[in-house]
Amino acid sequence: EVQLVESGGGLVQPGGSLRLSCVASGFTFSSYAMSWVRQAPGKGLEWVSAISGSGGSTYYADSVKGRFTISRDNSKNTLYLEMNSLRAEDTAVYYCAKGLVRYMDVWGKGTTVTVSS
Amino acid sequence: QSVLTQPPSVSAAPGQKVTISCSGSSSNIGNNYVSWYQQLPGTAPKVFIYENNKRPSGIPDRFSGSKSGTSATLGITGLQTGDEAEYYCGTWDSSLSVVIFGGGTKLTVL
Repeated sequence: EVQLVESGGGLVQPGGSLRLSCVASGFTFSSYAMSWVRQAPGKGLEWVSAISGSGGSTYYADSVKGRFTISRDNSKNTLYLEMNSLRAEDTAVYYCAKGLVRYMDVWGKGTTVTVSS
Repeated sequence: QSVLTQPPSVSAAPGQKVTISCSGSSSNIGNNYVSWYQQLPGTAPKVFIYENNKRPSGIPDRFSGSKSGTSATLGITGLQTGDEAEYYCGTWDSSLSVVIFGGGTKLTVL
């Protein structure tokens, strides 16, 4: 079964840091680009970042550029999102998704990040 | 503010047909594939249409997608109460090198 499981969310103070993880199973992880998509409470989907299958290319939304870093460990079938200088507006459910340019065909259940003092 | 424009809401009676529009520009919809996602309350999005008009396995043929120029449309026929959800269009923007989503359309089956 193709599956994505996120973890690492939690409550963090403004200016703090958090590292999200997404463990993939059921497909050849290294063959696919992967994305992070977030959804603030009561809001729509916002694409955050993506990385190519090899990890050689990365992409970021302007809203997180310079603060978030995406990476992957293909030996561990794991995708990461390092989040620094967190702001209240980063509060959201963060989804890991398989795919990028064409479409995202597998999504995790999400992990919740709350930035608050 | 989303780069892709969707109506905030649409509604129709059970058994009827509804369409949801998604408007963009030449840098996104005009030159890239469009996908459509259904999100039920409290759950992760699920792809219902990909590459403009293709349905993943398990998605009923009541759902269809089309694209013309810089706009795309999701069509749903034979509406069921279970179709009530938020629907998002998404695509790649070649100029910005980012994925963009529409603001979402809430479908109500009256």
